[in-house]
Amino acid sequence: EIVLTQSPATLSLSPGEGATLSCRATQSVGSSFLGWYQQKPGQAPRLLIYGTSNRATGTPDRFSGSGSGTDFTLTITRLEPEDFAVYYCQQYGPSPPLTFGGGTKVEI
Amino acid sequence: EAQVVESGGGLVQPGGSLRLSCAASGFSSSGYLMNWVRQAPGKGLEWVATIKQNESAKYYVESVKGRFTIFRDNPKKSVYLEMKSLRAEDTAVYFCARVSILGMDVWGQGTTVTVSS
Repeated sequence: EIVLTQSPATLSLSPGEGATLSCRATQSVGSSFLGWYQQKPGQAPRLLIYGTSNRATGTPDRFSGSGSGTDFTLTITRLEPEDFAVYYCQQYGPSPPLTFGGGTKVEI
Repeated sequence: EAQVVESGGGLVQPGGSLRLSCAASGFSSSGYLMNWVRQAPGKGLEWVATIKQNESAKYYVESVKGRFTIFRDNPKKSVYLEMKSLRAEDTAVYFCARVSILGMDVWGQGTTVTVSS
């Protein structure tokens, strides 16, 4: 089973700053099968990035994903107030288990 | 618009059973893998189970194997999670999610399961 480790656990930033979130896997993950989700309190997760670097419908272009193999990154340029949330990486293929990372909380 | 709506959560005693339902609308659910994901209070997301389009394969996280069963009724556009021998550690919000080549791209709002005496 592939285990995903996200770092840091918490990022304390101000609106307008940039954020870099890391996701490291214990085994190589196909670039087509790595995604990022955003979750706000009391809400369901929302798909942000799929296939390592592709923005899902509605994802602003200040969000970008990159990486390969075992190291992946979500970058948020110029944080907006609505970006403060918890972010999860996930590997979803080619077959289950579909594991999530532990999450990174981006807080003000 | 593609949507899924969960139902069936509630309070159950340890050792009890519960069946969760997930109703899909706005898309042909029979064409997709469907998932259950849970989130314990204050914790992260945990994948629970996945079912293939024609039920040809089902997958479970180790901690629920032998206790939970995922199944689907494609004509009813519904997916279910039958949960037995429930434990306190199964307490969580359970989300239903569609799986596409994009990942889990459609999520419900979740249904809460509380296992407590």
